[in-house]
Formats: sequence, C-alpha cells, structure tokens
Amino acid sequence: SQQGEEDPQALSIQEGENATMNCSYKTSINNLQWYRQNSGRGLVHLILIRSNEREKHSGRLRVTLDTSKKSSSLLITASRAADTASYFCATFRAGGTSYGKLTFGQGTILTVHP
Amino acid sequence: DGGITQSPKYLFRKEGQNVTLSCEQNLNHDAMYWYRQDPGQGLRLIYYSQIVNDFQKGDIAEGYSVSREKKESFPLTVTSAQKNPTAFYLCASRDRSYEQYFGPGTRLTVT
Repeated sequence: SQQGEEDPQALSIQEGENATMNCSYKTSINNLQWYRQNSGRGLVHLILIRSNEREKHSGRLRVTLDTSKKSSSLLITASRAADTASYFCATFRAGGTSYGKLTFGQGTILTVHP
Repeated sequence: DGGITQSPKYLFRKEGQNVTLSCEQNLNHDAMYWYRQDPGQGLRLIYYSQIVNDFQKGDIAEGYSVSREKKESFPLTVTSAQKNPTAFYLCASRDRSYEQYFGPGTRLTVT
C-alpha cells in the first residue's frame, strides 16, 4: 500500500505567495524526504528530515515532521514561476524486508502564475 | 560530471518484444533502483540492488528483470510478460545519507 499520501493533489498560486503541501504516512519511519520533479524529468532531492527532528530549513523551503500524527509539511515561501513542478514526499524505513527502500506519495502538482 | 545517465530518452517497441533500458552511474553508490511512473502518479518500485550481484524485487516486479554485474550499471529488461509496459521509467542511486539521485528517465511506448 502507498506509504505517503499527499494533499492537495494540485495547488495553484500567484508568484510571491507561499505554498504548503502536506504528506501523511502510515507506519514508523527513519526519515522523510521531499523531491521535486519538473515535467518529463527525473526527480531532484530537496530536503531530508530525520524522525527525531521536528523542523528543517533549506533556503526558501521549510519542512516540518510530526511523528505522533505521522505527517509532514513542505512550505515554499515567496514562490516563483520556476517553482512550478510536482512535489513528492518519500518515506524511508530501515530494517526488515523494506530495508533500503523509499516509498513515494502520489505528489502535489504546484503551479505558480507569474 | 558525476551523475546518472539513462538511455535512450524515448523508446518505441512492438507488443511481444523484450526491451532493455540502460542505467549507468559514476557516483560510486552501492544501491541502485528502478521505478515506474504512470501519468499523474507517484513512483512505484520495480527492483532495487544494494550491492553488486544482488538485487531484490520491489512492489511491481512482475514482467521485469534486472542484473547487477557491475557497480556502475543496473539495466532493466521489460519482458513481453509485462501487461502494461508503456510508462516513464526512472533509475536512481542512493548515497549513505539516504538521498536518492535520479536519472533523466526513459519514456517507453509499446504498441
């Protein structure tokens, strides 16, 4: 079953606004990662947050993790048209038969209008 | 330049033919992965390899096969047994920090 579920499925905003995407998952994890995918391209790693971390920043990105609610959010501040892409959360769980695997959500399509 | 290359970018095949997708990396990563992506969907894991000469089935391995004879290479064969092979295929490798590095993808169309 899909580990990560993302919300919303699509988000449309104006340049300069903030964009928030949410991810929920079902089982315990070691870390959660966010990736970006431009149309027809491979994915690019944005940020990783470990299960013992609550918040992490990277440039205009802010990620939070609430392990009690099994959820994470990605905030992109002061969005630009170039931020238009699909954004995926992925969970990593060490040990057992799933060792070494990332499980991806279905993604949020972000459109930033200039 | 370090990175992952996939070839070709677009591939067209007739139904019933096997086809092999190439994936090469020069990042010196031990772990490599193959994913399938369908329109509007997330990534589904086909096969992965933690080390040379070893690989494990992912969530949707039926109709696919892989080999890992060299650290740098992890080719994926889409066999005629795969019922819906038309998709976007992504290869990735992983470093020790758990971050995955993706290739540009191969779009396979089977008619």
